Amino acid sequence: AQSVTQPDIHITVSEGASLELRCNYSYGATPYLFWYVQSPGQGLQLLLKYFSGDTLVQGIKGFEAEFKRSQSSFNLRKPSVHWSDAAEYFCAVGASSNTGKLIFGQGTTLQVKP
Amino acid sequence: DVKVTQSSRYLVKRTGEKVFLECVQDMDHENMFWYRQDPGLGLRLIYFSYDVKMKEKGDIPEGYSVSREKKERFSLILESASTNQTSMYLCASSSMGGRAEAFFGQGTRLTVV
Repeated sequence: AQSVTQPDIHITVSEGASLELRCNYSYGATPYLFWYVQSPGQGLQLLLKYFSGDTLVQGIKGFEAEFKRSQSSFNLRKPSVHWSDAAEYFCAVGASSNTGKLIFGQGTTLQVKP
Repeated sequence: DVKVTQSSRYLVKRTGEKVFLECVQDMDHENMFWYRQDPGLGLRLIYFSYDVKMKEKGDIPEGYSVSREKKERFSLILESASTNQTSMYLCASSSMGGRAEAFFGQGTRLTVV
């Protein structure tokens, strides 16, 4: 069965420090992978996505993610975190090739220290 | 700009009430989804619809039903609300295809007392 695991429930980093949020997936074929961000009281916004090709993908707000098939991972990174990045982050895998259904990880809450 | 609008941000209902959560999208998307968000569990799919009057169960459909009479509108119905349905409910829409980005509404926080 398809699944997504985000091992870190809560992460705290200092402003200006680098960030890496982990995501591991279980999926039989080549996955469609997504990272979404949810600011407090808001819906989810797409940060970036991977379908095929270059395994390092760039997204909005200075985020990037790297697909590693051998490790079944799709970790999200940012070189320098800003206070406004404090939010909840969700990794998701496309559950179907044609319906757009998503399977989400449990989410990682990012706290940014001044 | 794609907009997915959920009719209520906050709702408080009594146990046993029939509850309707409404969602409207303005981008002519074929797919619409209802997810439930709980702390530590992420988002779980309740139902989705890929066309008018078409629906499929997601991972946690028990206690819920849906209606899609028009392409732009997707309703989630709690037939008899229970306290364990207290949660955040998120509606989303996307165009056809697994690569399509899903656009989310701002969510409805439902409390059943």
